[in-house]
Amino acid sequence: QVPLVQSGAEVKKPGSSVKVSCTASGGTFSSYAINWVRQAPGQGLEWMGTIIPILVITNYAQKFQGRVTITADRSTSTAYMELSSLRSEDTAVYYCARGTDFDTLTGYYTGYYYMDVWGTGTAVTVSS
Amino acid sequence: EIVMTQSPATLSVSPGERATLSCRASQSVSNNLAWYQQRPGQAPRLLIYGASARAAGIPARFSGSGSGTEFTLTISSLQSEDIAVYFCQQYNKWPPFTFGPGTTVDIK
Repeated sequence: QVPLVQSGAEVKKPGSSVKVSCTASGGTFSSYAINWVRQAPGQGLEWMGTIIPILVITNYAQKFQGRVTITADRSTSTAYMELSSLRSEDTAVYYCARGTDFDTLTGYYTGYYYMDVWGTGTAVTVSS
Repeated sequence: EIVMTQSPATLSVSPGERATLSCRASQSVSNNLAWYQQRPGQAPRLLIYGASARAAGIPARFSGSGSGTEFTLTISSLQSEDIAVYFCQQYNKWPPFTFGPGTTVDIK
């Protein structure tokens, strides 16, 4: 498995933006999806959006539409998640997670993406 | 949006005993269901995909079953390192991908 290394913790003011990076060290994510999932303190997992670089497909959760932008640089195997108009409720740990549709048991690609490798997480604190 | 629910919220199990966790989807997700383990202070880790296929490196004491709307994760003999929160997630119909609220497993 190729580890996903994320950028360091951030402290931001309300109304500002944050950009978190996720690099596939030692390999590429050429045919994979990259998902962004966040976890507020003591809470569950919340999907924010997904990019599939090879298909040039990006999907966002409706909750974050207009505030989140996910991009990917295939030349550096790095994905980015930028969240704007930050508020205190955005304080959370942000994870990237690789998505694959490969079924190791059958050897086929199914078209259904699950998250097989997770990043280290980036803590974002929004405070005045 | 497919809503995922999990029960119980907390499960206390003695070491070596079986733990059974449930996950329910608001509509059929076929077998496109994953389970993740999140130990305290760590990132989630994939345990099961396709409802029943163990991910690479996952011990055989973890097994998944079910299809459609009802799913189960079983830990056959609980070890101390299994203390964690377990999340189910559907990936049959997206956007959005949706997660259950989690089940916390602790030692009795």
